[in-house]
Amino acid sequence: AQKITQTQPGMFVQEKEAVTLDCTYDTSDQSYGLFWYKQPSSGEMIFLIYQGSYDEQNATEGRYSLNFQKARKSANLVISASQLGDSAMYFCAMSRHSGGSNYKLTFGKGTLLTVNP
Amino acid sequence: GAVVSQHPSWVICKSGTSVKIECRSLDFQATTMFWYRQFPKQSLMLMATSNEGSKATYEQGVEKDKFLINHASLTLSTLTVTSAHPEDSSFYICSASRLAGLYEQYFGPGTRLTVT
Repeated sequence: AQKITQTQPGMFVQEKEAVTLDCTYDTSDQSYGLFWYKQPSSGEMIFLIYQGSYDEQNATEGRYSLNFQKARKSANLVISASQLGDSAMYFCAMSRHSGGSNYKLTFGKGTLLTVNP
Repeated sequence: GAVVSQHPSWVICKSGTSVKIECRSLDFQATTMFWYRQFPKQSLMLMATSNEGSKATYEQGVEKDKFLINHASLTLSTLTVTSAHPEDSSFYICSASRLAGLYEQYFGPGTRLTVT
C-alpha cells in the first residue's frame, strides 16, 4: 500500500529565509508522481510542484524546489525567500495507478508552516 | 486554464435532510472527477472516483448509499449527502482530471457542510 509521511506537524521560519518541508513515501510502484500542494486558511488546494518518478532532475517552480532522492524515497519541498503569504498548510501527495486509466492521490497529514515577520 | 468550481461554497442543513454539492470543470472536459473529505486539521481523504457516464468507485469504508455521486457529463459531477447527520459535517473538495495519467488533477475551492 502507498503511504506518505510528513513528520513535521508545524514549522516556523523567518521571513526571507529558506525552509525545507519533509516528505517520505512508500510504494512498490515503479511509476508514480509526487506533488506538493498548499492549502491556506480559505481551504482551496493550490498546486505547487510535481516530480515524476523517472525525472532525473529535481523539479523547480519559482521559489519552490523539490529535493527528490529516489533511493531514500524522499521528496522534500524547499521554499526559498519565505514570504508572509507562504503561511499555510502544506501537503505532500503521491499519485498511484488504481486500475484502468484511473490514478489516485494519496496525501500526507500535512505541515503547518508559519512565516514570522 | 483548468478551473474547477464548486457550489455551494458553504451550506447548513438540518439533520435528516439531503444536500447536493456540484463540481464543475469550467474550461476543460474532465474525464475523471474525485471527491475528497477533510475534517478540521486533518488531511484529505479520497471518498470516490467517478468517470463520466459510469458508476463511481468508492473507497473502502465510504457508504455509497449515503454519498451518491453522479457524473452525468464531462463538466459536471455531483455529490449528494443523503439523510445527513452532524457527523457528516466536513469540508468536501472535488478535483478533476482532463487526461488519464499521473499528473493532471485540479481542485475546486471546497464546500463546507454543517449539519445541525
